[in-house]
Amino acid sequence: DTGVSQDPRHKITKRGQNVTFRCDPISEHNRLYWYRQTLGQGPEFLTYFQNEAQLEKSRLLSDRFSAERPKGSFSTLEIQRTEQGDSAMYLCASSLEARRSEQFFGPGTRLTVL
Amino acid sequence: RKEVEQDPGPFNVPEGATVAFNCTYSNSASQSFFWYRQDCRKEPKLLMSVYSSGNEDGRFTAQLNRASQYISLLIRDSKLSDSATYLCVVKLDSGNTPLVFGKGTRLSVIA
Repeated sequence: DTGVSQDPRHKITKRGQNVTFRCDPISEHNRLYWYRQTLGQGPEFLTYFQNEAQLEKSRLLSDRFSAERPKGSFSTLEIQRTEQGDSAMYLCASSLEARRSEQFFGPGTRLTVL
Repeated sequence: RKEVEQDPGPFNVPEGATVAFNCTYSNSASQSFFWYRQDCRKEPKLLMSVYSSGNEDGRFTAQLNRASQYISLLIRDSKLSDSATYLCVVKLDSGNTPLVFGKGTRLSVIA
């Protein structure tokens, strides 16, 4: 499968713990995006990268959230001191840099904070 | 006001019916428009882009009215497999900036 992959698919954690998610984009895609989706809502943008550079961060991305893409390939999203409100599906997408390039989404990581 | 607004539904329609979804967006600077489909507990997938001239892909027709900041999706001859949530999506430019999603409209096609 050459699509976007995410790991883990599910994560259950206790409030206050740190969690880290990984996203592997489609190999030739240099743009990588993180979104968050809660029940009954559409995905909401968190942050995005072009290669290793983080180009934009949403105001939804509090100080407890950090994302990296150290070599311009895979990316990690870390949430420190998780809160129950962090429970959501975390979606990663990737695209080419070309104009009108489609964003392809991964299957997501479903986080449950107890 | 939400940037992208959709009627959440659900729309329950019989097989073979024609169903239309509408969406409005608040930012008049929006440049690119899409409909995504999302099946239950799955990731969103691009259904079709929406162009000013309107576009059609098989049983699906999308329309854009920039003056009214309004986007529509028409599904003809509904199939059971069309049951999903349909997300209206806009972007501020035609480059690779982030997508802005509506809440989605849920469709159930019933036999």
